Amino acid sequence: DQQVKQNSPSLSVQEGRISILNCDYTNSMFDYFLWYKKYPAEGPTFLISISSIKDKNEDGRFTVFLNKSAKHLSLHIVPSQPGDSAVYFCAASVSTGGFKTIFGAGTRLFVKA
Amino acid sequence: EAQVTQNPRYLITVTGKKLTVTCSQNMNHEYMSWYRQDPGLGLRQIYYSMNVEVTDKGDVPEGYKVSRKEKRNFPLILESPSPNQTSLYFCASSFRAPTPYSPLHFGNGTRLTVT
Repeated sequence: DQQVKQNSPSLSVQEGRISILNCDYTNSMFDYFLWYKKYPAEGPTFLISISSIKDKNEDGRFTVFLNKSAKHLSLHIVPSQPGDSAVYFCAASVSTGGFKTIFGAGTRLFVKA
Repeated sequence: EAQVTQNPRYLITVTGKKLTVTCSQNMNHEYMSWYRQDPGLGLRQIYYSMNVEVTDKGDVPEGYKVSRKEKRNFPLILESPSPNQTSLYFCASSFRAPTPYSPLHFGNGTRLTVT
């Protein structure tokens, strides 16, 4: 049973438009969430994170929104650029006990020029 | 340059032949972890280590062993590989247990094929 779900395997967006990547989770104990970005033949790299005490975190073109009641988070990329084309993993963890990070299956983003 | 180094990048082996995938980090990180990536399943944690001589199982530990005798190294050992362990493996580290302020740093992966 996947505790972190990314239901869209892929997403295609035009350059300059907004990309919205979604993530749902089932474990209400998760108290922080991260997004990682992965290019082919490379390991994932950290992109942005959010703690459960916040509902929004912004870093340049990237914003993550957290809706705890819906157990849903989303990553917004505005404006999207061709270099953003990659696989994006949503991850969640519990800060007390376990120290495990649970990843979603990933969403492949294509940004068309 | 701060990095996590995995070797080898590619490995093809046969069922039952013991193998080791090495992982080393030069950031003095306490926490290290191994993941496998499979289509549709994302990254699943195999084992993790909070510090030297402290290791624990992740979600899919069966068929794997690890050791943490030095802070910088965290090898993944497959004593008797089987075809269902064919996967893309990632080693990762972080300063302490992963938090928003101490995210994971990943190696570039090892693609393992077991025939």
